[in-house]
Amino acid sequence: KQEVTQIPAALSVPEGENLVLNCSFTDSAIYNLQWFRQDPGKGLTSLLLIQSSQREQTSGRLNASLDKSSGRSTLYIAASQPGDSATYLCAVRSYSGNTPLVFGKGTRLSVIA
Amino acid sequence: DTGVSQDPRHKITKRGQNVTFRCDPISEHNRLYWYRQTLGQGPEFLTYFQNEAQLEKSRLLSDRFSAERPKGSFSTLEIQRTEQGDSAMYLCASSVVPLVPRGDGYTFGSGTRLTVV
Repeated sequence: KQEVTQIPAALSVPEGENLVLNCSFTDSAIYNLQWFRQDPGKGLTSLLLIQSSQREQTSGRLNASLDKSSGRSTLYIAASQPGDSATYLCAVRSYSGNTPLVFGKGTRLSVIA
Repeated sequence: DTGVSQDPRHKITKRGQNVTFRCDPISEHNRLYWYRQTLGQGPEFLTYFQNEAQLEKSRLLSDRFSAERPKGSFSTLEIQRTEQGDSAMYLCASSVVPLVPRGDGYTFGSGTRLTVV
């Protein structure tokens, strides 16, 4: 059974810092990995999707990497801003393609102005 | 088509009442998923449909829960005889099958927040 762990559970940084959020998964036979952002009381917004054959994806100040063999992904946020404050969720889809996304519990990020 | 729509956004109900939620997926998406999220936790899978067929149900989906997707379009999730433990955010997502090389990401709706009092 796939399990996804996110570390740290919460993080508080001053504005302008670069930061890294970590995600690990127990079964390396994944099809893809997706990072989401969730604002309090809201739904999920997809940030980046990495296919199993890819090593990284970039979107603006965000960069996600994938090391499938070690079961790890990182989300790098450059030059953090108060508007980045949210919960960041990592989710993996196993290789069978018919299994649903499995989520971690998320990292709650606060960027202090 | 601007995304996945869920209705209502919020629902407060008394314990023992039945509630029904609706999800309208992105029109060209043939897969539809329901997840439940409680405070401080990640979303947990409940069930999913491919077109009108319900292909998988989680053990979290007790007999009081039923989901339908008539005609493979919108979906409804009904909870009968609600309990306080049912209080959560119910999230709907949709995706495309068959999987395409450019990606098969999920698109989520804004969720329905259920409070059982």
